[in-house]
Amino acid sequence: QVQLVQSGAEVKKPGSSVKVSCKASGGTFSSYTISWVRQAPGQGLEWMGGIIPIFGAANYAQKFQGRVTITADESTSTAYMELSSLRSEDTAVYYCARDGGAAAGSGWGQGTLVTVSS
Amino acid sequence: DIQMTQSPSAMSASVGDRVTITCRASQGISNYLAWFQQKPGKVPKRLIYAASSLQSGVPSRFSGSGSGTEFTLTISGLQPEDFATYYCLQHNFYPYTFGQGTKLEIK
Repeated sequence: QVQLVQSGAEVKKPGSSVKVSCKASGGTFSSYTISWVRQAPGQGLEWMGGIIPIFGAANYAQKFQGRVTITADESTSTAYMELSSLRSEDTAVYYCARDGGAAAGSGWGQGTLVTVSS
Repeated sequence: DIQMTQSPSAMSASVGDRVTITCRASQGISNYLAWFQQKPGKVPKRLIYAASSLQSGVPSRFSGSGSGTEFTLTISGLQPEDFATYYCLQHNFYPYTFGQGTKLEIK
């Protein structure tokens, strides 16, 4: 059973960047995909991008292209999502989730609240 | 990008009712579709994967069907704990896309 544990809540200024971590335990980290999903207050789920650690290459939603970078460190079984040029509309809970075929969405981190406010 | 059109966006029902939620994909996604339940302030929980496979531990009153472009989630015999928001997710093609969600409320 894969468990995903995310870093804590962040408060950021507009224009700055945030980097959220997602540490996996159980299973073989390099063999599965990690996706990042966000949820703004009162809104639905929004897929941002994903990475297969063993390959290192990430895929991103067009909406976030150029602002988001997803990476993975196999040595620590940790995935990261960095979002830059933050604006108030980026205030949301950010989740990492296990991905990959039949495993898609089978496990989620606890969520990280990112608040963007001046 | 593949658009997932989920309907209805909201509905009310009574305990014991049978409800159906639909997701339509703008192009074929085979059976790469999952359904999630989310309660306020909680992490989404996967109910169905591969369009029709029941996640371990999920009650059998939940079922999924469909392939290609049209998918349904059915809850047979609503229980009080089922009142929540439901989402579909296509994960056949990047970028993955969620439906807009269906808020299921008590009548």
